[in-house]
Amino acid sequence: DQQVKQNSPSLSVQEGRISILNCDYTNSMFDYFLWYKKYPAEGPTFLISISSIKDKNEDGRFTVFLNKSAKHLSLHIVPSQPGDSAVYFCAASAVHQFYFGTGTSLTVIP
Amino acid sequence: NAGVTQTPKFRVLKTGQSMTLLCAQDMNHEYMYWYRQDPGMGLRLIHYSVGEGTTAKGEVPDGYNVSRLKKQNFLLGLESAAPSQTSVYFCASSYRMGTRGDQPQHFGDGTRLSIL
Repeated sequence: DQQVKQNSPSLSVQEGRISILNCDYTNSMFDYFLWYKKYPAEGPTFLISISSIKDKNEDGRFTVFLNKSAKHLSLHIVPSQPGDSAVYFCAASAVHQFYFGTGTSLTVIP
Repeated sequence: NAGVTQTPKFRVLKTGQSMTLLCAQDMNHEYMYWYRQDPGMGLRLIHYSVGEGTTAKGEVPDGYNVSRLKKQNFLLGLESAAPSQTSVYFCASSYRMGTRGDQPQHFGDGTRLSIL
């Protein structure tokens, strides 16, 4: 069973608007959550993370929100830029292992 | 800055053949990981290592073996390749994690493997 789920395979947003990517998880033992960005033919690159003891973490245009009671996290990108077009993976960690979602392909339209 | 380097980048094998994928990192990371990425499945952990000379199984270890003889290298072996192992393989490394998984992973660019 998929422990980390990204239910939206794709998302299109106009340049300058907000992009919201969602992720749900099932395992309450996860203690850290991370977002990675992936361009075609490249490996994922780390974007932002959040500890399970926090509910928000911000880094420039990127903000991650965590709702532990709902087992839900989201990534907000404001303002969205064409260079943000990529596949975004959320991941959750427990001990030494990371569990990844299936990814959401974001397209930012100029 | 090489980071994490995977070789080869592409390979085509016939069913039953064997091969080894090499991952090398120059960041002095303790932890190394092998993942496979399949359509609609995200990245799934095959094996990982928390230090030189150690290996452990991940979510999908069957059909694969690994070795970590040197800190900077992590090898993934397919003893008898099967079509179900057609995938894109990613290697990753990270610093030692504490009790919380707070060290992000650095990924290589992947190896695209096709088994005919």
